[in-house]
Amino acid sequence: KQEVTQIPAALSVPEGENLVLNCSFTDSAIYNLQWFRQDPGKGLTSLLLIQSSQREQTSGRLNASLDKSSGRSTLYIAASQPGDSATYLCAVVMNYGGSQGNLIFGKGTKLSVKP
Amino acid sequence: DVKVTQSSRYLVKRTGEKVFLECVQDMDHENMFWYRQDPGLGLRLIYFSYDVKMKEKGDIPEGYSVSREKKERFSLILESASTNQTSMYLCASSFWEVDEQFFGPGTRLTVL
Repeated sequence: KQEVTQIPAALSVPEGENLVLNCSFTDSAIYNLQWFRQDPGKGLTSLLLIQSSQREQTSGRLNASLDKSSGRSTLYIAASQPGDSATYLCAVVMNYGGSQGNLIFGKGTKLSVKP
Repeated sequence: DVKVTQSSRYLVKRTGEKVFLECVQDMDHENMFWYRQDPGLGLRLIYFSYDVKMKEKGDIPEGYSVSREKKERFSLILESASTNQTSMYLCASSFWEVDEQFFGPGTRLTVL
């Protein structure tokens, strides 16, 4: 059974720092991996989607990488700002099984960027 | 931009009541999903639908049912609400099954 892990569970950094959030998964037979942002009490905002055949995706100050063979993805945030404070979730879609399309989520990393 | 809306942001119901949570998407997406989110357990899939009148069970379907009579609308039904169904409920949609999913703002349901 696929398990998705995000470490650390919480991270606090000063404004301006570059940072990396980690996501690991146990089964490499994924179709894609998606990174989300969630603000307190709100829904999820999609940040980046990486297909299994891709190595990375970029959007503005965000860069997500994928190493399927080692079961890892990282989300790199450049020049962090207080507005980046949120919980970041990664999720994978499996490449088999009746529940195709089912996102399997990690428990998230809560990021706090201090002014 | 894709827009997914949910009928209520906050809802308080009593044990035993029948509860309807509504989700509407405006991008003609084929697939719609219902998740619940709980502290320490993360997000888990309850049900999903890949076409009108079609539904599939997710990981935790017990105590829930769904209805999809129109392509843009997906309803989650709690036949007899219980306190352990107090949770944040999130709806999502995607164009095809393994495509990027877009989420609604969530409904915080409290069952007393």
